[in-house]
Amino acid sequence: QKEVEQNSGPLSVPEGAIASLNCTYSDRGSQSFFWYRQYSGKSPELIMFIYSNGDKEDGRFTAQLNKASQYVSLLIRDSQPSDSATYLCAVNVSGGFKTIFGAGTRLFVKA
Amino acid sequence: GAVVSQHPSWVICKSGTSVKIECRSLDFQATTMFWYRQFPKQSLMLMATSNEGSKATYEQGVEKDKFLINHASLTLSTLTVTSAHPEDSSFYICSAQEVKNRGDEQFFGPGTRLTVL
Repeated sequence: QKEVEQNSGPLSVPEGAIASLNCTYSDRGSQSFFWYRQYSGKSPELIMFIYSNGDKEDGRFTAQLNKASQYVSLLIRDSQPSDSATYLCAVNVSGGFKTIFGAGTRLFVKA
Repeated sequence: GAVVSQHPSWVICKSGTSVKIECRSLDFQATTMFWYRQFPKQSLMLMATSNEGSKATYEQGVEKDKFLINHASLTLSTLTVTSAHPEDSSFYICSAQEVKNRGDEQFFGPGTRLTVL
């Protein structure tokens, strides 16, 4: 069973701090990795995707991928109360187009 | 770009009736669409994968005769919940995948909240 694991949280950070969200996956052949944000009662929206080892930055968001450790993370700099949501890590299963989602980490940013 | 719509956004129906939910990719062609269900405070649960022109692939435990999926074109997939019961009340979300190079991001529709009385 191919899995994606996330700490369910909640993760609470003060406004302006860096929020660090972590994710591990079991399928060593996975090539595509995604972070989605889901507000309560809404559907997920794509924040970032990353395919290569290392860091990828987009505004206040940085995705980090380490395939050797089967680990992907999302850093949110200068966290804002509007960043409070559930963050879903998703991994594309090797050999197909099926994506496995983690259960999500709830983030609270305190004003 | 990459906009996915769902209709209706919410529906209330009586037990025993059938409900159809539409998922459309508005500005791209989606060879693959996915249907998810999400109960309150729980994670997304993949129900089925739908490929244009072929039968849907259902996840283990999902009744294919109860959740009918049709992917008739590259921009439209429908999910019909047949003989709905209160336990089918949930948030149903579709996503669409535009296959280009290695681009396999899923773009989600806004979801349909189903309440069965």
